[in-house]
Amino acid sequence: NAGVTQTPKFQVLKTGQSMTLQCAQDMNHEYMSWYRQDPGMGLRLIHYSVGAGITDQGEVPNGYNVSRSTTEDFPLRLLSAAPSQTSVYFCASSPRTGGFPEAFFGQGTRLTVV
Amino acid sequence: AQKITQTQPGMFVQEKEAVTLDCTYDTSDQSYGLFWYKQPSSGEMIFLIYQGSYDEQNATEGRYSLNFQKARKSANLVISASQLGDSAMYFCAMRATDSGGGADGLTFGKGTHLIIQP
Repeated sequence: NAGVTQTPKFQVLKTGQSMTLQCAQDMNHEYMSWYRQDPGMGLRLIHYSVGAGITDQGEVPNGYNVSRSTTEDFPLRLLSAAPSQTSVYFCASSPRTGGFPEAFFGQGTRLTVV
Repeated sequence: AQKITQTQPGMFVQEKEAVTLDCTYDTSDQSYGLFWYKQPSSGEMIFLIYQGSYDEQNATEGRYSLNFQKARKSANLVISASQLGDSAMYFCAMRATDSGGGADGLTFGKGTHLIIQP
């Protein structure tokens, strides 16, 4: 029962580098999303997907790209890292059922951009 | 757009006392869900309790209950008989409906840092 798995757990990047944060879930959830958590800000939605091939922007999408080629995976790409992207990133998934299902979160990725 | 307000940045509570964490929300949607998550110092997000906007009874889950006052747009979390292990950040969040009719992403408050003292 892996749930939502994020890799890596920690990452240090230099300004201008690119990288991909991986997220995989084994619960066959249609809905997947990425959040960032900054001190004193709570979690903010970056991008989300309601199914394979469908993605949309959240509250803070600039500087990030996503794609959803399979139900299981939802990678988050930083094209050119900036110090302002230093944050803790959480991936979450939930079933796309009626009502408002709870979101299941990964363990988080702590990213530092220097 | 939705907004969640948590007005208590930090709280100190004696062990075994009950504690209420405040949450108010703002939305123009008639149908929505309200959630509370716990984030211990280890960093993971732990789901605690859920309340639907049309639920007539307040939600309860063990020592957690949600005091839902729809007219006041408040969804306070009540923890009875607090324990040292309850020390953590607590986030109130909500989901409304997206353009496709499914649940939208979560909107979070800024959180309350709860410290239980022995």
